[in-house]
Amino acid sequence: DAGITQSPRHKVTETGTPVTLRCHQTENHRYMYWYRQDPGHGLRLIHYSYGVKDTDKGEVSDGYSVSRSKTEDFLLTLESATSSQTSVYFCAIMGSTGELFFGEGSRLTVL
Amino acid sequence: GIQVEQSPPDLILQEGANSTLRCNFSDSVNNLQWFHQNPWGQLINLFYIPSGTKQNGRLSATTVATERYSLLYISSSQTTDSGVYFCAVVYGQNFVFGPGTRLSVLP
Repeated sequence: DAGITQSPRHKVTETGTPVTLRCHQTENHRYMYWYRQDPGHGLRLIHYSYGVKDTDKGEVSDGYSVSRSKTEDFLLTLESATSSQTSVYFCAIMGSTGELFFGEGSRLTVL
Repeated sequence: GIQVEQSPPDLILQEGANSTLRCNFSDSVNNLQWFHQNPWGQLINLFYIPSGTKQNGRLSATTVATERYSLLYISSSQTTDSGVYFCAVVYGQNFVFGPGTRLSVLP
């Protein structure tokens, strides 16, 4: 158990509304990641963070922003949700040995 | 960027059968992991294996980094082995995932 908690686990929202997903870790690991998983596309990296206030884009970052004001929290924000952002979102951390550990996932539906 | 391929894309087995899943990657990588995504969507770590062979119960994995592939062996499969198996390679600071192999084990 890598001590990763995602919230909310399920959310239904309407097009155009802002949405924030939270990832919380209890072990002070430096690297944190947000992925989305869609049928036919596997797991794709949205953004990642390598420290407080240090973030970078992944391959599918358009329409998403992130923030990391504390080591333990990594927030993913959809400023104006669209139906194409309906997906399952996974947070992950890189452990001390370099191994990747995932949270339980957050299922987002944008109507 | 790096390409990660997995084969076969789908596999159906009878309970008790053995199987081999393959992961090929197009460039040198720093490390490699295998994951199992169960039918409830949880991503479970199986192996963290940059090279060599590791075993954990009925599962084992071998990575030949110089030839850019890794194999996951499942022996005496059980219905609880069903799900999708992903390999992921560490490329720079990021993890790049293959498309997965969907395994169905029938009772």
